[in-house]
Amino acid sequence: EVHLLESGGGLVQPGGSLRLSCAASGFTFTSYAMSWVRQAPGKGLEWVSAVTANGVSTFYADSVKGRFTISRDSSKNTLYLQMNSLRAEDTAVYYCTRGYLRDANPWGQGTLVIVSS
Amino acid sequence: QSALTQPASVSGSPGQSIAISCTGTSSDVGSYEYVSWYQQHPGKAPKLMIYDVSNRPSGVSNRFSGSKSGNTASLTISGLQAEDEADYYCSSYTSSSTYVFGTGTKVTVL
Repeated sequence: EVHLLESGGGLVQPGGSLRLSCAASGFTFTSYAMSWVRQAPGKGLEWVSAVTANGVSTFYADSVKGRFTISRDSSKNTLYLQMNSLRAEDTAVYYCTRGYLRDANPWGQGTLVIVSS
Repeated sequence: QSALTQPASVSGSPGQSIAISCTGTSSDVGSYEYVSWYQQHPGKAPKLMIYDVSNRPSGVSNRFSGSKSGNTASLTISGLQAEDEADYYCSSYTSSSTYVFGTGTKVTVL
């Protein structure tokens, strides 16, 4: 069974950093692109970032470009999202998902990031 | 990149059919066959319902169907059931090599 498990969320001060992880299992990790999507409390979904299956190419929403970095470690079957210069508006549940948003399936259960002083 | 436009809410009685629209531009919905639809129940992760405009993943009921005309895509739910009550989001690939979601639609089963 395909399974994605996010971790690393928590409370961080504005301007701080956090690294999210997404442990993947049940499929050949190196065969799939991976993506991050977030959802602010009570709000809609927002695409954040994606990385190709081989990790060579990365893509970002304008709202996070230059502050967030997506990466993957095939030896650990793990996807990462390094988040720097965090702002209050980055407060959200962050989901990782297999594939691009074109056909993202499945999704993890999400990890909550709160940016507040 | 502006969010795609969806109606805030749509409702229907059990057994009826409803349609949710998703309006974009020639830079996203109108130019690519990469429109997908996601269902999200409260407190749960989203679930893929339709990909590439009209394709259903394995395990998704054939009561869900998708289509596209010009800059507008649509999700139709036929034979509405209580379990279909949820939020629905469309998404599209864009000319900037990014993705954009719709504003979301709350479906209520009366």
